[in-house]
Amino acid sequence: QKEVEQNSGPLSVPEGAIASLNCTYSDRGSQSFFWYRQYSGKSPELIMFIYSNGDKEDGRFTAQLNKASQYVSLLIRDSQPSDSATYLCAGFSNDYKLSFGAGTTVTVRA
Amino acid sequence: DGGITQSPKYLFRKEGQNVTLSCEQNLNHDAMYWYRQDPGQGLRLIYYSQIVNDFQKGDIAEGYSVSREKKESFPLTVTSAQKNPTAFYLCASSARQNPYEQYFGPGTRLTVT
Repeated sequence: QKEVEQNSGPLSVPEGAIASLNCTYSDRGSQSFFWYRQYSGKSPELIMFIYSNGDKEDGRFTAQLNKASQYVSLLIRDSQPSDSATYLCAGFSNDYKLSFGAGTTVTVRA
Repeated sequence: DGGITQSPKYLFRKEGQNVTLSCEQNLNHDAMYWYRQDPGQGLRLIYYSQIVNDFQKGDIAEGYSVSREKKESFPLTVTSAQKNPTAFYLCASSARQNPYEQYFGPGTRLTVT
């Protein structure tokens, strides 16, 4: 079993809608979680991180963490065509390594 | 400008040849990492280094080698022993106090034929 699993997508949403991305993890030792955005052919860019249970909001992005359910999500509100990218979920555990999910590709339709 | 640079952006090699990918950072970060990304897959850790002159194997180290002689530099050699070397290679770095916040270079796309 992979340490971090993401809903495979691809996910297509109309402009202005909410895009919801989900991620589960198997390592209960994972302390922190990160969302990276990766445009086609480019390197990943860190957009959100969350350490504590609950919600964390940053502009149009909201990350949610539920450690009891081992579940992390990312909501993108008012989706824009520029949000079209692959979003990678990653968990950081005690061995100082990030484990990445396979990514969810989001397409925002104008 | 502070950042991480990788060169070259595209690299083509014949099977059986070793090739070295460059990674340099001027962020004064202690830790550096090499990842590999295949189409439709997430990033897999090859090697990482938390301090100069020390490095550890990641999840897929076979067929690769690294060195960390300077804080700023962490080159990766893809040897002929790597069975499927064609991939997108990404270098990252992080500060000692925030090892989980990793920042990536632009990547090198290696094609071996």
